[in-house]
Amino acid sequence: GQQVMQIPQYQHVQEGEDFTTYCNSSTTLSNIQWYKQRPGGHPVFLIQLVKSGEVKKQKRLTFQFGEAKKNSSLHITATQTTDVGTYFCAGGNSNSGYALNFGKGTSLLVTP
Amino acid sequence: DSGVTQTPKHLITATGQRVTLRCSPRSGDLSVYWYQQSLDQGLQFLIQYYNGEERAKGNILERFSAQQFPDLHSELNLSSLELGDSALYFCASSLEGASGNTIYFGEGSWLTVV
Repeated sequence: GQQVMQIPQYQHVQEGEDFTTYCNSSTTLSNIQWYKQRPGGHPVFLIQLVKSGEVKKQKRLTFQFGEAKKNSSLHITATQTTDVGTYFCAGGNSNSGYALNFGKGTSLLVTP
Repeated sequence: DSGVTQTPKHLITATGQRVTLRCSPRSGDLSVYWYQQSLDQGLQFLIQYYNGEERAKGNILERFSAQQFPDLHSELNLSSLELGDSALYFCASSLEGASGNTIYFGEGSWLTVV
């Protein structure tokens, strides 16, 4: 079945440094979503990408969907302590039916 | 507040027992999802319902079952519990059942099996 893999598993940065997490799927995706889970919290939707090569920005966050629609990335510029949490990508396609398959997430720690 | 309500928030039970986790989706959402989150496995999709019918099945054990009722709330039943079933169980909902829908997560039910 479809697998969604994320790297790195953990990332520790100093406040102000940039951060990138990568998501790769074993199959072509119809869409990819990104979620953020704060420590002790629940995943919260950030964004959805649908088109090949799509790039979306949310303030310091930049999301990309690969041309082949099999990979995606989330880049945070100048991290802040409020960025701490685990970032999940989740992909969906016809092979997975209607459900999203989540990656294992990248846990980001930002120290001041 | 996502609008998805889960009960109980915490549950401690013994091996071999059976528990039921309950979920009320956001108002107007027709689809309900169950996910299991453990430290080493991340977010594992268990099962999805749409308007009362099973829509998609993931890595759900045979000891686990779920259903969605006519009022759209859902229950996840976990039986013959094992230590390894200890995890955070999330319910989520979306307006429809397509993979392109935004999924809203509840706060989760912490299950500890001792």
